[in-house]
Amino acid sequence: NAGVMQNPRHLVRRRGQEARLRCSPMKGHSHVYWYRQLPEEGLKFMVYLQKENIIDESGMPKERFSAEFPKEGPSILRIQQVVRGDSAAYFCASSPRTGGDSGNTIYFGEGSWLTVV
Amino acid sequence: QKEVEQNSGPLSVPEGAIASLNCTYSDRVSQSFFWYRQYSGKSPELIMSIYSNGDKEDGRFTAQLNKASQYVSLLIRDSQPSDSATYLCAASNDYKLSFGAGTTVTVRA
Repeated sequence: NAGVMQNPRHLVRRRGQEARLRCSPMKGHSHVYWYRQLPEEGLKFMVYLQKENIIDESGMPKERFSAEFPKEGPSILRIQQVVRGDSAAYFCASSPRTGGDSGNTIYFGEGSWLTVV
Repeated sequence: QKEVEQNSGPLSVPEGAIASLNCTYSDRVSQSFFWYRQYSGKSPELIMSIYSNGDKEDGRFTAQLNKASQYVSLLIRDSQPSDSATYLCAASNDYKLSFGAGTTVTVRA
């Protein structure tokens, strides 16, 4: 039973390039979340998606960042014109349904480490 | 004020001792609480979840929740070197997890 799959695990981009991070949720999970962890900081919520819908993007920076979860294929977090401050670990998570009730565990993927040089 | 605050570390305990981690949260409507363990360069791993006041035990781990005080704690009994990691406290109202900055625990052999 595969867990949450993220790729690439490590990505190096030059300033101004685009970064695309992909996430395939656990089998049977239709809810996807993206979190960002800056160096020496805790995880911060970015966006919550269901298939073809963005439910909550309140944690996304207003510019350069976008996310999607198409009907077919993985969820994509896209960062345009990357800057050094975007260097961080980006974690995708999934759950079978929304709500933090008992049994609705949110599982994290292994993360994608973005380095901007 | 941060939504979730954890006691500052790092915390160093000898092998076999009890490690005690504390966490407070500011959002009174939070309903679910979690402790994650994160090894350096790895993803967070859920070790405990707690939803109602009181204690919850799972092996060497005990979580305690006091909603009136907005306080969550985690005890690690018989600490092992493999417990050396950063422990993240998280609170959730619905789907959004709010994390503390983490407490780094080092278990000395």
